[in-house]
Amino acid sequence: TQLLEQSPQFLSIQEGENLTVYCNSSSVFSSLQWYRQEPGEGPVLLVTVVTGGEVKKLKRLTFQFGDARKDSSLHITAAQPGDTGLYLCAGESGRRALTFGSGTRLQVQP
Amino acid sequence: NAGVMQNPRHLVRRRGQEARLRCSPMKGHSHVYWYRQLPEEGLKFMVYLQKENIIDESGMPKERFSAEFPKEGPSILRIQQVVRGDSAAYFCASSIQGDYGYTFGSGTRLTVV
Repeated sequence: TQLLEQSPQFLSIQEGENLTVYCNSSSVFSSLQWYRQEPGEGPVLLVTVVTGGEVKKLKRLTFQFGDARKDSSLHITAAQPGDTGLYLCAGESGRRALTFGSGTRLQVQP
Repeated sequence: NAGVMQNPRHLVRRRGQEARLRCSPMKGHSHVYWYRQLPEEGLKFMVYLQKENIIDESGMPKERFSAEFPKEGPSILRIQQVVRGDSAAYFCASSIQGDYGYTFGSGTRLTVV
């Protein structure tokens, strides 16, 4: 069974602070995706990383895929209240069904 | 350009009744996935379907649960004789073959009373 562990589970910070969310596994994934989910809605895809060591930037969000394709991180610079939400990492393996982490609930206080 | 459409958004069923959840994938998407999410948890894979075929149902309980994706019409997730433990949000996602990105619907929140 493939597992993805996310940390921290909860994070409450002030506007303007930086933060990093981690996603770790003992399994290798062919790709890793990050999603953000708002209350009452489905997850929305933020980014997909495919190559070991890959770094992708999306405005103030930086995503990194580990060299061994077992772990990933999401770094947010100068967090804003609009960044509040549930962040989910999900790994894809050969059978093309996603394995989700348990999520990181972020709250950014104004 | 409609996204993945799920209905109903909210469904209340009494114990022992049947629940039918529907999912219409994005136009051009032929792959459908169903996931279940319990409160404060991540999504758990249930079943992966293509038109008229179940590709992977390893995440679906062996009893009471079934899924289909007919040639015409939406994908259906059916839960027979619902129990309180079936209360959860059920999400459908679709993708184009070979595409890494999945588009999720807004989910159906099932409450069993």
